[in-house]
Amino acid sequence: GIQVEQSPPDLILQEGANSTLRCNFSDSVNNLQWFHQNPWGQLINLFYIPSGTKQNGRLSATTVATERYSLLYISSSQTTDSGVYFCAVEHGNAGNMLTFGGGTRLMVKP
Amino acid sequence: DSGVTQTPKHLITATGQRVTLRCSPRSGDLSVYWYQQSLDQGLQFLIQYYNGEERAKGNILERFSAQQFPDLHSELNLSSLELGDSALYFCASSVGGGIYEQYFGPGTRLTVT
Repeated sequence: GIQVEQSPPDLILQEGANSTLRCNFSDSVNNLQWFHQNPWGQLINLFYIPSGTKQNGRLSATTVATERYSLLYISSSQTTDSGVYFCAVEHGNAGNMLTFGGGTRLMVKP
Repeated sequence: DSGVTQTPKHLITATGQRVTLRCSPRSGDLSVYWYQQSLDQGLQFLIQYYNGEERAKGNILERFSAQQFPDLHSELNLSSLELGDSALYFCASSVGGGIYEQYFGPGTRLTVT
């Protein structure tokens, strides 16, 4: 099956810093989503981005499908950005399951 | 709030027991997915239903079963529970059976003692 790798696995930032999270995938994908899992366990949709660039406030994402990677940018980080960020891809035509990466655990310190 | 609801939020039960997790998709969504998040396996896809029919199956154990009802809500049944089944179980939904954004519910945290 498809492999999804996220880096770095852990990240500690000072409030106000910027960061870039990376997601590499081993095959072509039909769909790519970024999620934020908050400390209460909820998975929050950030971006639906099979290709191209999108921005939402302090967050933006870019997927370069031909090179099989996606980047999530967090600018001016806040303590509420803490949690785990997951990249998930949909690959193939046997259903629409998402395959998740291992996540990047982010801690933003005040 | 994604619009996907799951009940119960928490469930504590003993080994060997059977439990049922319930999910209501977002209004208008026809596809329902179940995922399991455990410490050692990460987030894994279990099963997908589209408009009442099973569409795809992932790493779902034979002790687990699911169904989607005519009103589109779904239930995940877990039986002969083992300690290793302790996990966060998510339901997600999407508009159709094709390539659409999936929205996740708040999850049911299952603890097997």
